[in-house]
Amino acid sequence: KQEVTQIPAALSVPEGENLVLNCSFTDSAIYNLQWFRQDPGKGLTSLLLIQSSQREQTSGRLNASLDKSSGRSTLYIAASQPGDSATYLCAVPLGAGSYQLTFGKGTKLSVIP
Amino acid sequence: EAGVAQSPRYKIIEKRQSVAFWCNPISGHATLYWYQQILGQGPKLLIQFQNNGVVDDSQLPKDRFSAERLKGVDSTLKIQPAKLEDSAVYLCASSPGGGSGNGYTFGSGTRLTVV
Repeated sequence: KQEVTQIPAALSVPEGENLVLNCSFTDSAIYNLQWFRQDPGKGLTSLLLIQSSQREQTSGRLNASLDKSSGRSTLYIAASQPGDSATYLCAVPLGAGSYQLTFGKGTKLSVIP
Repeated sequence: EAGVAQSPRYKIIEKRQSVAFWCNPISGHATLYWYQQILGQGPKLLIQFQNNGVVDDSQLPKDRFSAERLKGVDSTLKIQPAKLEDSAVYLCASSPGGGSGNGYTFGSGTRLTVV
């Protein structure tokens, strides 16, 4: 059974700081990993999707890396802004050929002006 | 492109009452999912549809939860009777249903409070 863990559960940083969010998963036989953002009272917005053949993906100030062998992914946010404040969740498919996602509990990020 | 539409946004009911949620996926998306997100947790899959057929409902509490997808488009999720532990956000998502997992889109969710 796939389990996803995210550390830390909450993080508070001053504006402008670079930060790293961590995600680990127990079954390394994944074919992709996604990072989502969730704002209070809202649904989930997909930020980055990394295929199993890729090592990293970048979008603007966001960079996500994937190390399948160690069961880890990191989301790097450069030059954080108050608008980055949200909960960040990582998710992996339930199993081979599945489109069902197993989520971590998320990291709640607060960027202080 | 219109997103995944869900209604209502909020619902408060008493325990043992019934409630229904509605979802309209992105046009052309074959796969539709219902997830339950309890406060402080990640979303957990309840049921997955492919067109109008059920792919997986192994985590759906079938004694009280039911779901259908009419004509392979809209979907409704019903709870009857509701329990206090059903308080959560119910998220609907859709995807094209093929390929690498791209195109997974969530709705804004329905926040259910059972008192």
